[in-house]
Amino acid sequence: DGGITQSPKYLFRKEGQNVTLSCEQNLNHDAMYWYRQDPGQGLRLIYYSQIVNDFQKGDIAEGYSVSREKKESFPLTVTSAQKNPTAFYLCASSTGQVNTEAFFGQGTRLTVV
Amino acid sequence: LAKTTQPISMDSYEGQEVNITCSHNNIATNDYITWYQQFPSQGPRFIIQGYKTKVTNEVASLFIPADRKSSTLSLPRVSLSDTAVYYCLVGPGYNFNKFYFGSGTKLNVKP
Repeated sequence: DGGITQSPKYLFRKEGQNVTLSCEQNLNHDAMYWYRQDPGQGLRLIYYSQIVNDFQKGDIAEGYSVSREKKESFPLTVTSAQKNPTAFYLCASSTGQVNTEAFFGQGTRLTVV
Repeated sequence: LAKTTQPISMDSYEGQEVNITCSHNNIATNDYITWYQQFPSQGPRFIIQGYKTKVTNEVASLFIPADRKSSTLSLPRVSLSDTAVYYCLVGPGYNFNKFYFGSGTKLNVKP
């Protein structure tokens, strides 16, 4: 079945370590996105990519990095520079055309101790 | 970018119709209105989208008045499984969509 796969579902890391969250889609979508969600809050855009080999900062990009070397993959690295990395991270994709819907993965819950 | 305002939370009972209203006073001419549903520890999923008047699908209806400054998501005969957060998104009708999510409305359906 087509969809977006995020892995792992739960991730624990020690403070000061970089960690990479995986996001893979087989929907043949050009656009991909990373969001962060804190308890009881909405989604905040970290990075987005309109097309392979290109990506742009969202509203809260500090302390994060991404790559888009393949159309299907958009990994997110949470670096040690991120002050409060513990959160629920969501990856999404879309065709990139206007008025189309975003398809989301199941999320990765990152806990930094 | 059109700002949206929704109630923080709503309570309902099983079998009732629920209407969630979203205000978007500065909606642009080309903007569409889209609603998403999110269950705990899951990603949001698309419910319905519209531009004007009324749109209906198998799970919901979307009512948009002529001035388009607000919209109402209507869920018929809700069940406990409809307990979720509902987000109203506006735009863009042109250029690239970054899908900005606000805080949403937490709907709590009681037995």
